[in-house]
Amino acid sequence: DADVTQTPRNRITKTGKRIMLECSQTKGHDRMYWYRQDPGLGLRLIYYSFDVKDINKGEISDGYSVSRQAQAKFSLSLESAIPNQTALYFCATASSGDWNFNEQFFGPGTRLTVL
Amino acid sequence: GESVGLHLPTLSVQEGDNSIINCAYSNSASDYFIWYKQESGKGPQFIIDIRSNMDKRQGQRVTVLLNKTVKHLSLQIAATQPGDSAVYFCAEATKGDSWGKLQFGAGTQVVVTP
Repeated sequence: DADVTQTPRNRITKTGKRIMLECSQTKGHDRMYWYRQDPGLGLRLIYYSFDVKDINKGEISDGYSVSRQAQAKFSLSLESAIPNQTALYFCATASSGDWNFNEQFFGPGTRLTVL
Repeated sequence: GESVGLHLPTLSVQEGDNSIINCAYSNSASDYFIWYKQESGKGPQFIIDIRSNMDKRQGQRVTVLLNKTVKHLSLQIAATQPGDSAVYFCAEATKGDSWGKLQFGAGTQVVVTP
């Protein structure tokens, strides 16, 4: 969905490096999410934010941190990357004002490889 | 250490046939269910959703069936086309602390053959 953009789309880094993945949206949604996708494991929630001042851990937050710089921007950081953080990362948005606020809209993903 | 990828269940369907993708869920309190389609190299895209007070909902060429008794969800795709080749995920949401968060299944790979 072009309304949700992620940068970079691909990144290769080394163990121990700090990495930031960025997500921007033009949908005007208040809720934003970061997921990780590994082969055969579906999408697992890392962090989520229901508004600018609200940040919550998901099921696999260890080793990650986030920042909600504005309603439209939600960034994910790996403070010290390790090889098992190699995965596909997705940002998603949703609107609490919509009747169907459970429907999430996904960005194109960032493929991260940690060597 | 190196992670080992799991193999997704795969459904092979001939073009023009109907596809049925199944999903079992574990939380009897789940109130909302959604199906996503993920094509190679792209993010998941919404297909159809259903609330727990319904047992069937139809969209364009797709139907979702919900059986709360056995906690089973299915997605039916009519007249499957090559463009339907993708990974399909079901997800659920539960009222309460988890409301507004989706719990995803592992996915099913659909391969459409000519």
